[in-house]
Amino acid sequence: NAGVTQTPKFQVLKTGQSMTLQCAQDMNHNSMYWYRQDPGMGLRLIYYSASEGTTDKGEVPNGYNVSRLNKREFSLRLESAAPSQTSVYFCASSSQTSGANEQYFGPGTRLTVT
Amino acid sequence: RKEVEQDPGPFNVPEGATVAFNCTYSNSASQSFFWYRQDCRKEPKLLMSVYSSGNEDGRFTAQLNRASQYISLLIRDSKLSDSATYLCVVRNYGGSQGNLIFGKGTKLSVKP
Repeated sequence: NAGVTQTPKFQVLKTGQSMTLQCAQDMNHNSMYWYRQDPGMGLRLIYYSASEGTTDKGEVPNGYNVSRLNKREFSLRLESAAPSQTSVYFCASSSQTSGANEQYFGPGTRLTVT
Repeated sequence: RKEVEQDPGPFNVPEGATVAFNCTYSNSASQSFFWYRQDCRKEPKLLMSVYSSGNEDGRFTAQLNRASQYISLLIRDSKLSDSATYLCVVRNYGGSQGNLIFGKGTKLSVKP
């Protein structure tokens, strides 16, 4: 049981390049989330998916798109990377759509945009 | 005012000490409260939920004061392994599904 996995672990992009961050969970959770964590800012929600087939914007969605590919997988895409998107990205999942249950986090992706 | 505020620390304490963190939240409609722990360069992990009546898990005690809108975490008999950043987390009733609001964290360093 791997929990929440994310790929890649590290990535360096040039401004304007695109990439997709992958996330998968094997806990049969309904809800999945993408956060970014910046020094001095704490964790901020980018997008979430309450259940398969639905996605909604969080606090900081601009510059990102997401796809809930199936119940297991939730990907985050940067179409045209900017230096302001340099951050650590965490994917998380939880069992209930209300999110009241514990959120389990993946190990994170450290992204640098130059 | 930030929605969830914590003293960033760092709190530097010797092994065996008792240390307490406070957290304040601004939305009186907040419904669920948690403490997460995050080790350096790792993902956050749930430490404990916080219930209205207060709750204890081993050396850790969490309390909620709804009237004053603050949450506390008390760690007794600190261990070196307690060194981490402690995140106060709040979920607001009626907010976006699953939307947790994270504080910026309080850093704890336990020294030998």
